[in-house]
Amino acid sequence: AQRVTQPEKLLSVFKGAPVELKCNYSYSGSPELFWYVQYSRQRLQLLLRHISRESIKGFTADLNKGETSFHLKKPFAQEEDSAMYYCALRTASKLTFGTGTRLQVTL
Amino acid sequence: EAGVAQSPRYKIIEKRQSVAFWCNPISGHATLYWYQQILGQGPKLLIQFQNNGVVDDSQLPKDRFSAERLKGVDSTLKIQPAKLEDSAVYLCASSPTTETQYFGPGTRLLVL
Repeated sequence: AQRVTQPEKLLSVFKGAPVELKCNYSYSGSPELFWYVQYSRQRLQLLLRHISRESIKGFTADLNKGETSFHLKKPFAQEEDSAMYYCALRTASKLTFGTGTRLQVTL
Repeated sequence: EAGVAQSPRYKIIEKRQSVAFWCNPISGHATLYWYQQILGQGPKLLIQFQNNGVVDDSQLPKDRFSAERLKGVDSTLKIQPAKLEDSAVYLCASSPTTETQYFGPGTRLLVL
């Protein structure tokens, strides 16, 4: 069965510091991984997907099949990055979410 | 474009009562999902519809939960009877195929 693990419930960083939100997965097939974000009082929305290999709002994530990881990174955190971040694994058309990490960016 | 709409936004009921949630997906989206998000956890898929047919309901507690998507557009999710552990946010999402899912604002249910 597939599983997504986000080991940190809360990550607090200073503005301008690097950010790394950890995500590990377990799945025997070829994974499709996503990061979703939920800003305060907003709905859950897609941030990025590993297939696109793109940078969104300065965030990037690389799929490491050897380590079964899909960590989300940003070199310089901004206040507006404060939000709840969920890593998700897609199998067939079903999304399995991790428990989420709250990112808190402070001045 | 208009996003996924859900109602009500909040609901408080007593255990053993019934409750229903409504979802209107983005126009033209064939796939509709219902998720349950318990406090401190990530969303968990309850049921997925493709048009008006069920694709996956393996995690739906069928003894008390039911869902339908008549005419392949709007959907309702019902809980009857509710238990304390059903307290959660119920999220509806839709997608044009099986790609990016667009989420609604959710319905926050509290069972007392």
